[in-house]
Amino acid sequence: SQKIEQNSEALNIQEGKTATLTCNYTNYSPAYLQWYRQDPGRGPVFLLLIRENEKEKRKERLKVTFDTTLKQSLFHITASQPADSATYLCALDLGTYKYIFGTGTRLKVLA
Amino acid sequence: DAGITQSPRHKVTETGTPVTLRCHQTENHRYMYWYRQDPGHGLRLIHYSYGVKDTDKGEVSDGYSVSRSKTEDFLLTLESATSSQTSVYFCAISEEGGEKLFFGSGTQLSVL
Repeated sequence: SQKIEQNSEALNIQEGKTATLTCNYTNYSPAYLQWYRQDPGRGPVFLLLIRENEKEKRKERLKVTFDTTLKQSLFHITASQPADSATYLCALDLGTYKYIFGTGTRLKVLA
Repeated sequence: DAGITQSPRHKVTETGTPVTLRCHQTENHRYMYWYRQDPGHGLRLIHYSYGVKDTDKGEVSDGYSVSRSKTEDFLLTLESATSSQTSVYFCAISEEGGEKLFFGSGTQLSVL
């Protein structure tokens, strides 16, 4: 069955650096991958979606890539700020709008 | 969290008692979901609904049932709560073709 994995449970980086988070899936390539941000005590909030025929998608300081050969998506935050500290989740659609999530990566940006 | 209300926000109950969590949306979205979130496991899909009276199981559906009698309400019932069901429960919604989920604020459930 399709599984989705985020290998890094936690990541600490210095302010101003680029954070790179990894999301891997195991079987067939989904039509698209999503990335969400979750702050403590809150529900996840949608950030970006990338389709399988797109290599890269950008939104302000965020960049997402999708490599169907590696079965991997990378999520980058450039010029990171302490306010970017949160847990970031990737998700995919199993089909028929049934979404599964990775376990998340907790990012901490150090001032 | 706009347009999605989960109730209650916090609940403490005893093992063996039935518990119902409610998700109410004002967005008229077709799809509604129940997830649980636990340390080390992330968000796991319990059940979801693709329309009124149309539901399907997710990854961790054992011990849970759902009902959707109106577009705006999706109920999650723990028939006989167990300590392993202590978790944070999130409701989410999605419109058809929307390709993203909107989440509620969550319900913290403790089963003692």
